[in-house]
Amino acid sequence: GEDVEQSLFLSVREGDSSVINCTYTDSSSTYLYWYKQEPGAGLQLLTYIFSNMDMKQDQRLTVLLNKKDKHLSLRIADTQTGDSAIYFCAESPNSGGYQKVTFGTGTKLQVIP
Amino acid sequence: DTAVSQTPKYLVTQMGNDKSIKCEQNLGHDTMYWYKQDSKKFLKIMFSYNNKELIINETVPNRFSPKSPDKAHLNLHINSLELGDSAVYFCASSQGGLAGKETQYFGPGTRLLVL
Repeated sequence: GEDVEQSLFLSVREGDSSVINCTYTDSSSTYLYWYKQEPGAGLQLLTYIFSNMDMKQDQRLTVLLNKKDKHLSLRIADTQTGDSAIYFCAESPNSGGYQKVTFGTGTKLQVIP
Repeated sequence: DTAVSQTPKYLVTQMGNDKSIKCEQNLGHDTMYWYKQDSKKFLKIMFSYNNKELIINETVPNRFSPKSPDKAHLNLHINSLELGDSAVYFCASSQGGLAGKETQYFGPGTRLLVL
């Protein structure tokens, strides 16, 4: 089945850039997502990228996709303490049927003031 | 107004009991989901309904029974609760549910603790 892997923990200093990495196994993945989960809350979509794109930028967020290596990354520029959260990578195949999103294991980002 | 709401927010109960968690979305979405997030924060899909019809049913014990009275509601009933059922259960919804760019909107979660 589909598998989405992430490192479990990342610690950065406020003002530095954070890079969260994700690898996936499903070669038919069409959409790849980044969700953010703040403590005690549900997940919120941050951004997504379609598989025919290499890069997408949205303000402080940059998503890079290496489809050949099945590697996705999320870069957060000028990381703030409010960015401390768990970040989930997710993928969705274009199976022609109903969507089943597979979530990664989550990366806990700790921002040190 | 809350887009996806769940009740209760916290649920503490004894092993062997039967309990229900309710979910409602006011986004007009056609598809709703139940996810389980364990203590290590792993998030797994359990069920998905599109217009009251079950479309995704992962390997979940049959003690878990989802019910969708209408497309705005998806409730989760759990029989004979076990210690391993302790987790955070998230409800989510999306517009159509078809494969592709379908943002899922998550509820705040229900924290279930089985003693």
